Amino acid sequence: EIVLTQSPGTLSLSPGERATLSCRASQSVSSSYLVWYQQKPGQAPRLLIFGASRRATGIPDRFSGSGSGTDFTLTISRLESEDFAVYYCQQYGSSPLTFGGGTRVEIK
Amino acid sequence: QVQLQESGPGLVKPSQTLSLTCTVSGGSISSGGYYWGWIRQHPGKGLEWVGYTHYSGSTSYNPSLQSRVTISADTSRNQFSLKLGSVTAADTALYYCARGVESSSSFFFDYWGQGTLVTVSS
Repeated sequence: EIVLTQSPGTLSLSPGERATLSCRASQSVSSSYLVWYQQKPGQAPRLLIFGASRRATGIPDRFSGSGSGTDFTLTISRLESEDFAVYYCQQYGSSPLTFGGGTRVEIK
Repeated sequence: QVQLQESGPGLVKPSQTLSLTCTVSGGSISSGGYYWGWIRQHPGKGLEWVGYTHYSGSTSYNPSLQSRVTISADTSRNQFSLKLGSVTAADTALYYCARGVESSSSFFFDYWGQGTLVTVSS
């Protein structure tokens, strides 16, 4: 099973700042199969990025994904108030499908 | 717009079987290229994939749950269901149903239900 480790656990930033979230895999993951979700309190996760770097429909371009192999990054270029949430990475390059433990982005 | 809605008992006794249904609207579960899955989230914790089914009948399950889980589709009702047997308190979680997409050599869940909390307690 591929274990995804997200860091940091919590990121405290101010609106307008840049957020850089890391997702590290215990084994190499095909970039195609690395996905990012956003989850707000009381809501289901929302698809942000698939294929490591492809934005889902309707996702603002301040969200970008990058990486390959075992190291992947989600970047939010300038945080807006609605971006404070928990972010999860997911892989399905190798079964079973696994999620990272999440990074909480909170208002500083 | 595809919508998914979970339904089922919110309380299940230990050792019994948890049964949930997901009703899909705005799209057919018989559409090719889609998988119909369940993901759970323990209170205050991260996400855990339970498994998925395809309308063709193929399934895939998390090995950690495989001995206890069955996911099946009812195309006539446009629903799919989850059955998890021999539950314990560790199965208390918010259960989401979601549509899985295999596209561009990627796999992701693009539509999710709102989630339903299932508590295992006597």
